[in-house]
Amino acid sequence: DQQVKQNSPSLSVQEGRISILNCDYTNSMFDYFLWYKKYPAEGPTFLISISSIKDKNEDGRFTVFLNKSAKHLSLHIVPSQPGDSAVYFCAASANDYKLSFGAGTTVTVRA
Amino acid sequence: GAGVSQSPSNKVTEKGKDVELRCDPISGHTALYWYRQRLGQGLEFLIYFQGNSAPDKSGLPSDRFSAERTGESVSTLTIQRTQQEDSAVYLCASSPSPLPGAYEQYFGPGTRLTVT
Repeated sequence: DQQVKQNSPSLSVQEGRISILNCDYTNSMFDYFLWYKKYPAEGPTFLISISSIKDKNEDGRFTVFLNKSAKHLSLHIVPSQPGDSAVYFCAASANDYKLSFGAGTTVTVRA
Repeated sequence: GAGVSQSPSNKVTEKGKDVELRCDPISGHTALYWYRQRLGQGLEFLIYFQGNSAPDKSGLPSDRFSAERTGESVSTLTIQRTQQEDSAVYLCASSPSPLPGAYEQYFGPGTRLTVT
């Protein structure tokens, strides 16, 4: 039962352009959302998070948007850089320790 | 400072054999988590430790899977009588607190298990 879904397995974007990654969830109890980034042969690393009391959180080139009514969140990367090429996981929590992850989106930034 | 480490990085085993996967969390982190990632899928929660106790083992797929943690540090995930469907990357994470709203989880590089 996949409670967090990333429907785009891959995304290719030109360097300098915006990358938009999408994530949908089904559990209305989720109140905290995170994005993780993963390079090959490494564990996921935390990127940015957002609480359900907000609809936007920004950190440098990374912005996460949350639409609670649509149970949808997105990650914007502007401008995209070659080092951003990685797998991005969306994760959600219902105010406890357990994180539910999406299947990931592989981002490739073209020079 | 050292991050989360896991060993071995790769393990190939024959069906029916037992395997042990090890996780060394970041020093001082009280919470420890095991996840599994099968090919093309997201991370699947297996078990959570707070200190040396495991209040939530609900994610363990079967009674062939067990885990322990000693000294509020090292954790071992054991899979008995391995099956081919156990093939996956097993990831360990730790955090200073179990609350994701306060702290994110720090992941190790994972152990890639292949059951032949």
